[in-house]
Amino acid sequence: LAKTTQPISMDSYEGQEVNITCSHNNIATNDYITWYQQFPSQGPRFIIQGYKTKVTNEVASLFIPADRKSSTLSLPRVSLSDTAVYYCLVGDPGNTGFQKLVFGTGTRLLVSP
Amino acid sequence: DGGITQSPKYLFRKEGQNVTLSCEQNLNHDAMYWYRQDPGQGLRLIYYSQIVNDFQKGDIAEGYSVSREKKESFPLTVTSAQKNPTAFYLCASSTRTTGNEKLFFGSGTQLSVL
Repeated sequence: LAKTTQPISMDSYEGQEVNITCSHNNIATNDYITWYQQFPSQGPRFIIQGYKTKVTNEVASLFIPADRKSSTLSLPRVSLSDTAVYYCLVGDPGNTGFQKLVFGTGTRLLVSP
Repeated sequence: DGGITQSPKYLFRKEGQNVTLSCEQNLNHDAMYWYRQDPGQGLRLIYYSQIVNDFQKGDIAEGYSVSREKKESFPLTVTSAQKNPTAFYLCASSTRTTGNEKLFFGSGTQLSVL
């Protein structure tokens, strides 16, 4: 199973861009990289998923270098409501199922005024 | 309005009592999952089911039981054998569209011991 390493916490201010990097040195060929967001006392919510290069949606961008041993979640112009825990998951749910994905402790992002 | 519904939001258990947490989904998903989350920690998999009438143990199944008699429903019973049941419990279901698999979560049940 691909193990991921993320910073435990990050601080930012409203309006800034936040980049959260996840290391996954033993990522497998068929693995995807997926990020989830969790607010207190709620279930995690899907943010973005990618396989290589760059993926962008309405809320975030995901940058994946050629060697795929790390990935960076980029949140543009964060607001107070982006204060949450962010999880990086690496795996191939289409092949092995979500039961093989491991939610670590994630990165706690605190956005201040 | 499609989604996953967990109930109750808060639940209290007495010593030696079994309690059942409800999880219902109307997303037509085949796979469903139960996770446990302790304060400040990540999610740990308790049980999962990939199809009706079939389920498998996850990483921390001891003291828990499940059933999957209907596609829409995946209830979790916390038995008296679970000695430390206080935690936040999350139910999830998943799509199987290749290359775009996602986990959809309910809003959770906070279980506490009286």
